[in-house]
Amino acid sequence: DSGVTQTPKHLITATGQRVTLRCSPRSGDLSVYWYQQSLDQGLQFLIHYYNGEERAKGNILERFSAQQFPDLHSELNLSSLELGDSALYFCASSGGIGAGSGEQYFGPGTRLTVT
Amino acid sequence: AQSVTQPDIHITVSEGASLELRCNYSYGATPYLFWYVQSPGQGLQLLLKYFSGDTLVQGIKGFEAEFKRSQSSFNLRKPSVHWSDAAEYFCAVGPYSSASKIIFGSGTRLSIRP
Repeated sequence: DSGVTQTPKHLITATGQRVTLRCSPRSGDLSVYWYQQSLDQGLQFLIHYYNGEERAKGNILERFSAQQFPDLHSELNLSSLELGDSALYFCASSGGIGAGSGEQYFGPGTRLTVT
Repeated sequence: AQSVTQPDIHITVSEGASLELRCNYSYGATPYLFWYVQSPGQGLQLLLKYFSGDTLVQGIKGFEAEFKRSQSSFNLRKPSVHWSDAAEYFCAVGPYSSASKIIFGSGTRLSIRP
């Protein structure tokens, strides 16, 4: 158990809908990272928050957004869903910002299926 | 361009046999290298990491990796695999300064033959 929790575990929804994925980082970790894992794209970094502030953006679509709340949990919002958004979405947390400041701890993921 | 290549998509080894998973990288600066393991239905778990020092790195679960700068490789090894090692293994590279810039390889799926 990494200490990172993600809800829900599975999500099935229709095209055009909007969903929210939730992540609670390990106790004390200030950084939260979101990743998308799909068969054709592999593991792609989406966005990084540190202590409530957005720090870096990766291959995140404009239809997707995220935020980190004062209690450090984070939510990833996916809207106008398309079939191609079906994937595993992982959240990871770490104590700092840099890779050298500590390893990332991954949550179990949310499997999103868009029908 | 920065990249990570795991040339083997799927490897099958017998239980008790040795294992080597290949990883080659292309990186302009001093790389920070990682191996992660993903068991079915689970998130990624860090096996080991390397930035500097001894080029042979020991990790968890009996794994080790060797950094070879001349070959731009960071291969993962285990002397004797167990059935529980069946999983997907990811090599990753990034800068020391920013975890958000880590690039992951496409993964190698390891199956264990009884």
